[in-house]
Parts: sequence; structure tokens; C-alpha cells
Amino acid sequence: RKEVEQDPGPFNVPEGATVAFNCTYSNSASQSFFWYRQDCRKEPKLLMSVYSSGNEDGRFTAQLNRASQYISLLIRDSKLSDSATYLCVVNSGYSTLTFGKGTMLLVSP
Amino acid sequence: EAGVVQSPRYKIIEKKQPVAFWCNPISGHNTLYWYLQNLGQGPELLIRYENEEAVDDSQLPKDRFSAERLKGVDSTLKIQPAELGDSAVYLCASSLGGSNTEAFFGQGTRLTVV
Repeated sequence: RKEVEQDPGPFNVPEGATVAFNCTYSNSASQSFFWYRQDCRKEPKLLMSVYSSGNEDGRFTAQLNRASQYISLLIRDSKLSDSATYLCVVNSGYSTLTFGKGTMLLVSP
Repeated sequence: EAGVVQSPRYKIIEKKQPVAFWCNPISGHNTLYWYLQNLGQGPELLIRYENEEAVDDSQLPKDRFSAERLKGVDSTLKIQPAELGDSAVYLCASSLGGSNTEAFFGQGTRLTVV
């Protein structure tokens, strides 16, 4: 089993749709979790950290389930500008960041 | 404040030639990472530094790859000799360190080996 696994993409959704990405991780000792966004031919940029209680930032909601070793990202009211690849990132120890393969999102008019 | 700076942005070399990439992390960031990213894949760690010490280089192909961070600030990643399969984007990132701090990435160096 890979350390960090994500839904294979791409996800094609219309503007205004709600879309959810899932991610599982194998190391139960993992300590912190992030979602990064990567635009085509650009570097990854932090979208949001994921906290145990779940957290929300505008249209984006991240949730963590430690018992199931599962992380999710929900995007509501999708915009064209949300089109990108979303990377699930797990810190499995002191500064050891492991990335998933990423899930591509395509939002169409 | 300047972010992570990498150079060059693009590099085209012939196979068997050497190549070097440079990275200057965000000021005050003790942790520095070199990642490799192939098309359609997530970044894969090559090496992680805590200050000048390489604390995780288990995925670095040491027969041809080397890295250094002599003064615990900027870093250089070298490939010698390059192979066709080394064509990829090489990303440098830095963080404050610890288990709850995010990493910030440079724009990367896109290497093409012909």
C-alpha cells in the first residue's frame, strides 16, 4: 500500500457544483496533514492545513479521520479558477512530507 | 519577503553531461527539501536537510546524484552523469521545521535530457 493515496482523476464538474476529494494514508503515526494546490506548470502551493476537528476556509472544507486514516477536501460552488491538481500531503514524522499523486479538477462553464 | 528561489528555471542538456541546480530557501527556514516531480505524479522526496545536515537521503540515487548545503542556507543539487530518465521538474522547498509547519516551494527547474 502506498503511503498516501488519492482518488485518481480527472474530476470534470460544471461551475457551481460541489466536489469532494479523498485521501488515505498508511502511517498511523502521521502527525499533520495538508492540501496543496498545483496549477499547470507551476509549483505546489498550500491550500489549507487539516486539523482533527475539521476546518473550513470559505468554499473549502477539510476533514480528518484518524481512526480510518482518511482525509477529505470538499469544494462548494466550484469556480473556473478552481481548476488545478489537488495534492494530499502527510507529515509522517518530524518534517517528513509525503505527497500523493494528486487529483486533477476541471471546472467547466 | 522573497520566497524560495531556484535557478535555472529551465535546463536542456545532453545525456552523460553534468548539471547543477541551486536553491535559496526562505530566510530563517532550517528545513530544506529537494523533490523530483514527473508529469502526472506528485513530488517525490530526494533529500531533506535540517540546517546543514542531510537527515533523509534514502531516496537519492547516490551513484549519480549529490547535494550539499554547506552553510545551512542555500543548497545545490547535482547530477553527474545525467540520463534520459532524469528529465523532470526538480523542486526545492523550505519550512520552519517541526511536524506542523507547511513547506513553501520554489518555481522549480525543468530539466530535459536529450
